[in-house]
Order: sequence, then structure tokens, then C-alpha cells
Amino acid sequence: AQSVTQLDSHVSVSEGTPVLLRCNYSSSYSPSLFWYVQHPNKGLQLLLKYTSAATLVKGINGFEAEFKKSETSFHLTKPSAHMSDAAEYFCVVTDNNAGNMLTFGGGTRLMVKP
Amino acid sequence: SQTIHQWPATLVQPVGSPLSLECTVEGTSNPNLYWYRQAAGRGLQLLFYSVGIGQISSEVPQNLSASRPQDRQFILSSKKLLLSDSGFYLCAGTSGPYEQYFGPGTRLTVT
Repeated sequence: AQSVTQLDSHVSVSEGTPVLLRCNYSSSYSPSLFWYVQHPNKGLQLLLKYTSAATLVKGINGFEAEFKKSETSFHLTKPSAHMSDAAEYFCVVTDNNAGNMLTFGGGTRLMVKP
Repeated sequence: SQTIHQWPATLVQPVGSPLSLECTVEGTSNPNLYWYRQAAGRGLQLLFYSVGIGQISSEVPQNLSASRPQDRQFILSSKKLLLSDSGFYLCAGTSGPYEQYFGPGTRLTVT
């Protein structure tokens, strides 16, 4: 069985300051992990993915995440927030099963203040 | 690359009316396809998935059904909508390992 916990339901930062969105996972197998972003009334867009290669993963829009097996974490970071980063972010895990089934975290709403 | 299309974008339907939401996939063949529902302020709930034509697996027993009449077409239906069916419906697909690609979603309001 697999699960994902996003530790903060809401995060508020000022524009130009760093962003940290926290994610912990559990999985019986070697997992693949993803971060998706969702703007209001839009579909989900893939930000980045970890699939057992480099543990530091760079994604779009300046985001990156580090896979830490010992801590079972996959936190999302960005050095400097932009107003357009305000959205809902989902951490997602799959154990690479045949059906590509994904398990979603509850989401973190990122607010960016001017 | 893979593109997921969904329509309609928004829909307002009365309780007891039927429902049909369509999802089509472009840019890949033989994808796995998925229907998710997202209630207001909540995460995603997997409703159905399909690994091929005519093959549907249901994750949550409910008022909805799904069908896959063609390789790149996935339909979500209901014979009689309930108020609780309101939400944001997302179709997703994948043709290989790992990530899923999502469509733009359909906002359903049952009145």
C-alpha cells in the first residue's frame, strides 16, 4: 500500500521569497514521485517527476524537489516565489504497478503576497 | 506528446437528469485512461480506470458508470444525477510507465 501526506494545507509566502512545500510518502516498493500544479478551474500540470534516477529533480518554472529515501520525503522548493505560482500543488506517488495507479496527497494551496 | 481533451468545460444539470462527459486522447495509442472527481477544496478521487477498449475498473461504488468504446475515447455517464455528483471531473491518460497527463476538466453543478 502507498500513501502521501502533504504536511501543510496552506502556505503563504511573499513574492521573491523562497517556497517550501512538504511531502512525505510511504510505499512498499521503489516509488516514482511527482508534483503537479493546478490553477483554479484547470487541469493538473506536471511540474516534475522522480523515477529512480538523480535524487535532485528539476522541473518547470524554477521548481525542484529532492528525493530523500531515508526521510521518505519529496519536498518541493523554489528559490524565489512569483505571483503566478499561486495555485494548488499535489504530491503524488506510484509504486510503478501495472495500472499506473497514482496516490494523491491532499494538496497544498500556495498563496503569494505582493 | 499526449493531449487530453474534455468537454464540456462546464455543465449545469438538474437532479435526476442524465449525464455524459467525454474524454478523448491525442498523440498516443492504447493509453490507460482514468476518471477522477475533485470535490470543492479537496483532493482527487479516482472513479474509474481503463487499460483497453471495453475494460473498465471501478474504484468507488456510486451513481456513475464509465465506458470506453474506442481506444482513445473514455466516457463518464449517469442515468440520474444526484446533488452529491457535483464537482470537477478530470480525465487523465498514460501510455507508458510513470506519470499521467490530465485534461482541462469539466465543472459539473447539479441543481
